[in-house]
Parts: sequence; structure tokens; C-alpha cells
Amino acid sequence: AQSVTQLGSHVSVSEGALVLLRCNYSSSVPPYLFWYVQYPNQGLQLLLKYTTGATLVKGINGFEAEFKKSETSFHLTKPSAHMSDAAEYFCAVSDPRRLYDFGNEKLTFGTGTRLTIIP
Amino acid sequence: GAVVSQHPSRVICKSGTSVKIECRSLDFQATTMFWYRQFPKKSLMLMATSNEGSKATYEQGVEKDKFLINHASLTLSTLTVTSAHPEDSSFYICSATWTNTEAFFGQGTRLTVV
Repeated sequence: AQSVTQLGSHVSVSEGALVLLRCNYSSSVPPYLFWYVQYPNQGLQLLLKYTTGATLVKGINGFEAEFKKSETSFHLTKPSAHMSDAAEYFCAVSDPRRLYDFGNEKLTFGTGTRLTIIP
Repeated sequence: GAVVSQHPSRVICKSGTSVKIECRSLDFQATTMFWYRQFPKKSLMLMATSNEGSKATYEQGVEKDKFLINHASLTLSTLTVTSAHPEDSSFYICSATWTNTEAFFGQGTRLTVV
């Protein structure tokens, strides 16, 4: 079974400061890894995704994440926080072997991290 | 990205009644839709997966007679919570995909059973 742990249910950073949201996973096989963002009263939006290849993945809105197999981590970072980054962030993992007939991944989510930006 | 719409965004119902939540893919045909339940300060928990025209596949521990899922067309899936009770109060989220694509999520439905 797979699992995801997000350290810190709440993270606050000053505007312009580095954003670091932590995600560790447990998986018996190399997983696919995802970060999603959820703004209030909106659905989840994909920030970035790692499947294979380059371990540093760049996503939308200036975010990036690095897959570190030895640390079983996929931490999300952004060099300079913006007020518009305030949201809930979810890390998720899928098992590439468990693709549905139509090739869509089945996701296991972490508990989420609420990011607050201090002006 | 593609748009998935959930309706209603909030619903309050009396205990013992049934409530239907709709999930629509507005600009694409979704071959697969996923239904999640989100408890306060908890992960999104996958409840079931539905493929158009076939019966939904429920995750272990999810009561299929309690949570009826219908995926009658490539743009619509519905989740009906039957004989709702206060413990069914939760945030329900759907996502939709088609072949080899990422999942696109609806905005969620807050269900409160009183």
C-alpha cells in the first residue's frame, strides 16, 4: 500500500520568502508523484507531476519539486512567495502498475498543508 | 486546463433523506471519474471509480448501497447519498479524466446532514 505524509498542516511564510512544503511517501515501487493546489471553494489544480526522467520538476506559478528516491521525498518549493500563493496544497502518489484500463492514475493523497503568506 | 463542475457546492439535508451530487466535465469527454470524500484535516479518501457505461468500482470499506454512483454519459457522473445520516456530513470531490491524462477536479460539495 502507498501512503503520503505531509509534515506541517500549516505553514506561514513572509511575502518574498522561500516556500518549502514537505512531502514524504511510502511505496514499494517507484511511484508517480503529484502536487495539487486548492484555493477556497475551488477544485484541486495540478501544480506539477513527476513520472520518470529528470528528478527536478518545474510546475506552474513558479513552483518546483525534486524527487529524491533515497529520502523518499518530493518537497515543493518556490523561491519567492506571493500573496496569491495562499492556499491548501496536497501531495499525492500513484502506483504506475495500477493504471485503469483507460490509463488514468488512482491517487493517494496526503492530509494537506495550508500555506499562509504574511504581508 | 479542462473544466469539471460539481453541483451543488453546498447542500443541507434532513437525516433519512437522499441527496444527489453531480459531476460534469464541461469541455471534454471523461472516460473515468473518481469520487473522493474529505474529512476535516484529513486526506482525500477515494470512494469509488466509475467508467462510463459500467458499474462503479468501490474502495474497500465504502458501502455501495449507501453511496450510489452512476456514470451514464461521458460528461456526467452522479453520487447519491442514500438515507443520509449526520456521519455522512463531509466534503465530497469528484475528478474526471480521459485516456492518459491528468485528473481534473471539481470544486467539491459540502454536505451537511441535520
